[in-house]
Amino acid sequence: SAVISQKPSRDICQRGTSLTIQCQVDSQVTMMFWYRQQPGQSLTLIATANQGSEATYESGFVIDKFPISRPNLTFSTLTVSNMSPEDSSIYLCSVEEEVGAFFGQGTRLTVV
Amino acid sequence: GQQLNQSPQSMFIQEGEDVSMNCTSSSIFNTWLWYKQDPGEGPVLLIALYKAGELTSNGRLTAQFGITRKDSFLNISASIPSDVGIYFCAGQREYGGSQGNLIFGKGTKLSVKP
Repeated sequence: SAVISQKPSRDICQRGTSLTIQCQVDSQVTMMFWYRQQPGQSLTLIATANQGSEATYESGFVIDKFPISRPNLTFSTLTVSNMSPEDSSIYLCSVEEEVGAFFGQGTRLTVV
Repeated sequence: GQQLNQSPQSMFIQEGEDVSMNCTSSSIFNTWLWYKQDPGEGPVLLIALYKAGELTSNGRLTAQFGITRKDSFLNISASIPSDVGIYFCAGQREYGGSQGNLIFGKGTKLSVKP
């Protein structure tokens, strides 16, 4: 399976600031996916990032709040903008292979 | 939106016990996936099921894709302390399709009996 690396693994941020999370995959993939996992909750898809086109956002998520870049087939970034304590979550990068979806180790974000 | 009902929400295990958890849905899925998430880590894929009625094992883990395509269960036999964690089911409507079709259950938290 693909090896997915996320940076940073965790961060504590001040409200009103922005954080950019990086996701690197060890193989070329067409689509990369960003999920949010709020404390004690399941995973919710934020958006799908395709190389060469704008990301597709799920209901309840908007580009201004979660801008995404996908400059090539092995890399993507998710920015959490103008953060508030409600944005405190684990953010996960994912890719899909034939056998199923695989995840990075996640970025644990705490907004104070 | 579409939801998966995963149960139980939490359970305590004693070493050596067998463990069972399941997911049900009102909708049909073409793929069922089972994940385990340890603290501070992302979910790790345990078992993937692609056909109704399919029974698949991965070591002490066994999972089945329900005949109706609306449910799946995961069994862990002879549990050990490292089985502790959160287990998620996920259903996918289209095999090999966009993860916009991937729906996650709310998770089953396995803890060790005090």
